[in-house]
Amino acid sequence: GENVEQHPSTLSVQEGDSAVIKCTYSDSASNYFPWYKQELGKGPQLIIDIRSNVGEKKDQRIAVTLNKTAKHFSLHITETQPEDSAVYFCAAGLGDMRFGAGTRLTVKP
Amino acid sequence: GAVVSQHPSRVICKSGTSVKIECRSLDFQATTMFWYRQFPKQSLMLMATSNEGSKATYEQGVEKDKFLINHASLTLSTLTVTSAHPEDSSFYICSATTVAKQTQYFGPGTRLLVL
Repeated sequence: GENVEQHPSTLSVQEGDSAVIKCTYSDSASNYFPWYKQELGKGPQLIIDIRSNVGEKKDQRIAVTLNKTAKHFSLHITETQPEDSAVYFCAAGLGDMRFGAGTRLTVKP
Repeated sequence: GAVVSQHPSRVICKSGTSVKIECRSLDFQATTMFWYRQFPKQSLMLMATSNEGSKATYEQGVEKDKFLINHASLTLSTLTVTSAHPEDSSFYICSATTVAKQTQYFGPGTRLLVL
């Protein structure tokens, strides 16, 4: 089955800096890679996703890149703001999704 | 669009009682719903996958007789924790998806505390 690894587990940046979170996956059949943001006490919210036929996708300050050959994908947040502070999860799969362990992002004002 | 609700948001119960958690897709028909469990500061652990009108598929190590899942309609799935014990205390989250999309839309979660 699919195995997803996510790094780093914690990330602290200064407001305005960029943040990068990386994930690797094991199943080459996986073709869908979503990223979720989870605030304390709430359910995860989809922030961006990418499918295997695309190498990069951008939505305002958020971008995701996918390298299918190397089986890794990354989340990039530019111009970070304190409200970006949360736990971010990557996921990979074909039907059922497998989630990474999460990255706790702290943006210091 | 793609709103998923859960009820209740919090529940406290005595050891040995059963608790039912509802998951509803409010503005779309969910052919598949997933149930996850999340311990503090940990990732989402998939418990089971339920397809409307059929039996749920449980992940290895999840007791199907303890965690009863029913997906009777395209907008509602329920998780019943039977004979709850303190170790069942956790954050339970559902998600829903359609046959056309792989995207999972998550509910807000239910915090269960068993005394």
